[in-house]
Amino acid sequence: EVQLVESGGGLVQPGGSLRLSCAASGFSFSGFWMTWVRQPPGEALEWVANIRQDGAEKYYVDSVKGRFTVSRDNAKSSLYLQMNSLRAEDTAVYYCARLADRQAITYWGQGALVTVSS
Amino acid sequence: QSVLTQPPSVSAAPGQKVTISCSGSSSNIGKNYVSWYQQLPGTAPKLLIYDNNKRPSGIPDRFSGSKSGTSATLGITGLQTGDEADYYCGTWDSSLRAGVFGGGTKLTVL
Repeated sequence: EVQLVESGGGLVQPGGSLRLSCAASGFSFSGFWMTWVRQPPGEALEWVANIRQDGAEKYYVDSVKGRFTVSRDNAKSSLYLQMNSLRAEDTAVYYCARLADRQAITYWGQGALVTVSS
Repeated sequence: QSVLTQPPSVSAAPGQKVTISCSGSSSNIGKNYVSWYQQLPGTAPKLLIYDNNKRPSGIPDRFSGSKSGTSATLGITGLQTGDEADYYCGTWDSSLRAGVFGGGTKLTVL
């Protein structure tokens, strides 16, 4: 059974940093593109970042470029999202998810809440 | 402001059919495949349709997808109260080099 479990969410002050982790199991992690998607409270889904199987190719939404970094450790079957210079508008539930071909998001984690507030 | 445009809400009676539209442009829907997701209240999204019109294992054939030009449509027949949820379309935008979603459509089964 495919499982994706996020951790590392919490309350952080504006300008602060946070690192989300996602532990993957039930599939060959190194064989798949992975993605982060976020959802502000009561709002729509927003794609955040994609990372290729070997970590060498990455894409980001414009609003996080230069502040967020997606990475992975295939040996640990883990996905990460390093978030720096956090803003109030980054407050959201962050989902770790597995990608199939053509940007289909086939499996989702349960989400981790990140709250940016003073 | 989402890149893909969906109606904010749709409604229909149990047993009826409903369609949800998703409008984009030549750089996203016009060039790439569309997926649809169902998000029940308080839960993570779930993949309903991928590659415009394919259903993952376990998704009933009451759910269907289609694409024409720069628009896509999700169809749901035989509506059930359990179908009440938010529905999102998504795809890749080749110009933005980014994933994009619609703003979501809330389905109410009256």
